[in-house]
Amino acid sequence: DGGITQSPKYLFRKEGQNVTLSCEQNLNHDAMYWYRQDPGQGLRLIYYSQIVNDFQKGDIAEGYSVSREKKESFPLTVTSAQKNPTAFYLCASSIQPTGGSSSEAFFGQGTRLTVV
Amino acid sequence: GDSVTQMEGPVTLSEEAFLTINCTYTATGYPSLFWYVQYPGEGLQLLLKATKADDKGSNKGFEATYRKETTSFHLEKGSVQVSDSAVYFCALKTVDTGNQFYFGTGTSLTVIP
Repeated sequence: DGGITQSPKYLFRKEGQNVTLSCEQNLNHDAMYWYRQDPGQGLRLIYYSQIVNDFQKGDIAEGYSVSREKKESFPLTVTSAQKNPTAFYLCASSIQPTGGSSSEAFFGQGTRLTVV
Repeated sequence: GDSVTQMEGPVTLSEEAFLTINCTYTATGYPSLFWYVQYPGEGLQLLLKATKADDKGSNKGFEATYRKETTSFHLEKGSVQVSDSAVYFCALKTVDTGNQFYFGTGTSLTVIP
């Protein structure tokens, strides 16, 4: 089945450690996105990528890093510089048609990161 | 900049009641508009979308009409069920902002039997 897969679903890390969240899609989508969701809040954009080997910072990029070496993969690293990393992280992808904005985002099931 | 404003929750309704969740937007270009639903502990799922003015998106009894004159995209359902309990997000996307999505803060809906 086509879709977007995030792993793991739950992740625990000690404070001060870097951790990488996986996001893979087999939808042949050009664009991929990382969002952070805190309890009772909306989605905040961390990073997004419209094409392989290119990505842009979102609203809350500090303390995070990404790479886009392959079209289907967009891993997110939460570094020790991120002051409050405990949150629910959502990855999404979207077709990026030229000249149009009508394509929706497809979301993974999310990774809940807890830093202790 | 582009943004979405959603009616604040939480919203609690009895089964079979009428639902409206208000959503208004600000956009520099011509946005596409979306409603997503999120069940506890899961990602977001697309509920419906509309890509141009006066379009009506519909799915599973939910409807929303793209109103350019009032910059609104209110979500409605005539008769809610317990299984509709979830968080609903309104979102927009424009070419002018590099095809970024802008989400509202979400509205939590609880339907009681």
